Amino acid sequence: DTGVSQDPRHKITKRGQNVTFRCDPISEHNRLYWYRQTLGQGPEFLTYFQNEAQLEKSRLLSDRFSAERPKGSFSTLEIQRTEQGDSAMYLCASSLALDYQETQYFGPGTRLLVL
Amino acid sequence: AQTVTQSQPEMSVQEAETVTLSCTYDTSESDYYLFWYKQPPSRQMILVIRQEAYKQQNATENRFSVNFQKAAKSFSLKISDSQLGDAAMYFCAYRSERGAGSYQLTFGKGTKLSVIP
Repeated sequence: DTGVSQDPRHKITKRGQNVTFRCDPISEHNRLYWYRQTLGQGPEFLTYFQNEAQLEKSRLLSDRFSAERPKGSFSTLEIQRTEQGDSAMYLCASSLALDYQETQYFGPGTRLLVL
Repeated sequence: AQTVTQSQPEMSVQEAETVTLSCTYDTSESDYYLFWYKQPPSRQMILVIRQEAYKQQNATENRFSVNFQKAAKSFSLKISDSQLGDAAMYFCAYRSERGAGSYQLTFGKGTKLSVIP
């Protein structure tokens, strides 16, 4: 069990550019979550998948944000036309739906800085 | 919507001493889960302890224990025999009961714990 991994760990981009982040969950986990954490705040929920289906999206997920989980394995989060307000840590977590306690295990995050 | 409040932005404790971090939450649900997560500097968030709302007994994990007061909607974390490795941001989080359909975690703003040697 290698845990949840995220790539890249850091990303610096210019305003208006598109960026894509990748998350690889723990292999047997069928639920995958994306959160955003800004400085001095706790993580805020963005969206989650069960297998390949995106089942819930926060209103924080504007139409510039899109997430996918093809084949129910890894997931990507794309931000189009980035804005300075998108600067944050983007966290991915995964869980096993069959686990009644369903603990979410977090990855190390991708820190995005939009200049 | 549920909210989670951590009223202590920063706390400090002497090594080997005991510290308690506070958390209150607001919900109209009767069944839910509460969590404490630890986020060390530049490292990923890990689960410290969880509590099911239907359980009256307070959860304990080694040096970590909680004081869960359901009526008061309070969920504090006690760290005994504090160690230097306990220094981190601690987040309190809430999750609805599985059958409610929403699996997202709602986090507080966190408490930064420093451990003084």
